[in-house]
Amino acid sequence: AQSVSQHNHHVILSEAASLELGCNYSYGGTVNLFWYVQYPGQHLQLLLKYFSGDPLVKGIKGFEAEFIKSKFSFNLRKPSVQWSDTAEYFCAVTPGGGSYIPTFGRGTSLIVHP
Amino acid sequence: KAGVTQTPRYLIKTRGQQVTLSCSPISGHRSVSWYQQTPGQGLQFLFEYFSETQRNKGNFPGRFSGRQFSNSRSEMNVSTLELGDSALYLCASSSGQALSGNTIYFGEGSWLTVV
Repeated sequence: AQSVSQHNHHVILSEAASLELGCNYSYGGTVNLFWYVQYPGQHLQLLLKYFSGDPLVKGIKGFEAEFIKSKFSFNLRKPSVQWSDTAEYFCAVTPGGGSYIPTFGRGTSLIVHP
Repeated sequence: KAGVTQTPRYLIKTRGQQVTLSCSPISGHRSVSWYQQTPGQGLQFLFEYFSETQRNKGNFPGRFSGRQFSNSRSEMNVSTLELGDSALYLCASSSGQALSGNTIYFGEGSWLTVV
């Protein structure tokens, strides 16, 4: 069975700091990868996704993630965070090909101090 | 346009009862997927419906079931409720099947408490 590990459960940064949230998965085959974000009081929304092609994926609000197949990783990055980036971030993986059965990480809570 | 709408938003049920949750997708969306979120297990996929057919299913017991109507609205049902079923149940919709890379849009969820 596939699994997703998000190593950082809680991250606290100051505005303008750089962000990298780790996501590793265990699955031997082709995968599709996602990062979702949940801002306080709002519903879950897609930040970015990787299905194929360029392993460096750009998402909304200046976020990007890099798929490194050899490391089974899909880390989320942002060069300079803002207070408004305070949120819960979830990594998810689903097998590629003919099924959609996503497995989610436990989430990382990011707090950005102004 | 209106987002994904879930009803009811909050409900309390007793062990052994059953519950039905409803989800109205974004207009024009044909895929609806359901998820359970709990502090202990995190976010878990329940199932996905597309064109009234269940396309994919997560690892949940048969007490969890769902269906989709011809207007794409979906319901999920949990029978013989257990305390551990207390959770936030999220619904999401997309224009096409999620496996095809279509972006899914989540609703605000239905909070179920089982006492």
